[in-house]
Amino acid sequence: SSELSQDPAVSVALGQTVRITCQGDSLRNYYANWYQQKPGQAPVLVFSARNNRPSGIPDRFSGSTSANTASLTITGAQAEDEADYYCSSRDSSGYLLVFGGGTKLTVL
Amino acid sequence: EVRLVEWGGTLVRPGRSLRVSCEASGFTFDDYAMHWVRQPPGEGLEWVAGITSNSDNRVYAGFVKGRFTISRDNAKKYLHLEMNSLRPEDTAYYYCTKDERNIVSTIDYWGQGTQVTVSS
Repeated sequence: SSELSQDPAVSVALGQTVRITCQGDSLRNYYANWYQQKPGQAPVLVFSARNNRPSGIPDRFSGSTSANTASLTITGAQAEDEADYYCSSRDSSGYLLVFGGGTKLTVL
Repeated sequence: EVRLVEWGGTLVRPGRSLRVSCEASGFTFDDYAMHWVRQPPGEGLEWVAGITSNSDNRVYAGFVKGRFTISRDNAKKYLHLEMNSLRPEDTAYYYCTKDERNIVSTIDYWGQGTQVTVSS
């Protein structure tokens, strides 16, 4: 099992706001990063806690962390945001990377 | 433009070895750490291994258990993953990825992946 826990599935109505969460003890000490993966494609970094949104990522994507929980918020979700979302961070040792199990986002 | 192109994935018998590789372009390869990440069919992402720019630090996920070796050739801008004693559970898409720093930090670019299937 992963050191980072995510809800398997979340849904949001078109144009509404959705928060995808990631829990883990290592998040108290290390940044969380978020990746979007659409079917048949490689993942794409959508939010980096250190450098925020990479170039080309819409500003409706934002991230935050509180205690042991990191969140990716999509404000005004669009149909093209339907995808799997993965969080990632260092593990509790600080030397390795870990991924959450992923959240499938459905835009209704 | 950052490009990472993997090759070497194929069907291999359990217990055998395989090397997958990646050619990088569009950035100063020897300034950054690199990683391999895999994704079993229909499942989530699993970080496999990482290596710093001059290869002085290599780290591995627990499930590797000494079977895999990550390496790099900075002159050729290549990243490699040598996999030994392959098991059916190693079946996955293997992605070559770039870190945004020269430590284990944040993966900021991904290749398109290469498929490894371990089956008799």
